[in-house]
Amino acid sequence: AQTVTQSQPEMSVQEAETVTLSCTYDTSESDYYLFWYKQPPSRQMILVIRQEAYKQQNATENRFSVNFQKAAKSFSLKISDSQLGDAAMYFCAYSPSNSGYALNFGKGTSLLVTP
Amino acid sequence: EAGVAQSPRYKIIEKRQSVAFWCNPISGHATLYWYQQILGQGPKLLIQFQNNGVVDDSQLPKDRFSAERLKGVDSTLKIQPAKLEDSAVYLCASSLWSVRANYGYTFGSGTRLTVV
Repeated sequence: AQTVTQSQPEMSVQEAETVTLSCTYDTSESDYYLFWYKQPPSRQMILVIRQEAYKQQNATENRFSVNFQKAAKSFSLKISDSQLGDAAMYFCAYSPSNSGYALNFGKGTSLLVTP
Repeated sequence: EAGVAQSPRYKIIEKRQSVAFWCNPISGHATLYWYQQILGQGPKLLIQFQNNGVVDDSQLPKDRFSAERLKGVDSTLKIQPAKLEDSAVYLCASSLWSVRANYGYTFGSGTRLTVV
């Protein structure tokens, strides 16, 4: 079974500080993608960052970066200079090529940003 | 570009009634997905279409759920009869397709279903 585990149900960070959200996944596949999605109260899933498993270089998108450890099957998200607008549910998702690239999501981490 | 459109936004029904959700994907997106998101959990794939063919429906409760995608564009997800445990947000997503084109998906805003 392919599973995604987010061990932090809730995280809190002060504005302008840095926070790291954890994610581990279980797979025997070698060809897959990993994603972090943000879901605000509006419910719409917003893509934060993506990582191809065959790329060793960690993906970066402005204030968002990942630490991808393929051997450890770990994919954490670092948010730098946190802003109030970053408050939301964050979902880690795994997408293997053998399932038509469907997304397997973790249970999510609720991020609270305090002034 | 226009996003993924879903309707209705909210729906409240009694158990054993039927309900239908509609999704209009982004123009040109061949792949369409329906996900079920129960409160406090991550979304779970129900069905995946490639054009108007089903790629994966292994997690769709076929005794009560059905879905179709006519002409490879719009899609409808139906529940008949509904159970209390079907209360959830139903998300539709679409993406371009190719062997390597996994650039993520565009999600709609979802339909929140409450079964009472």
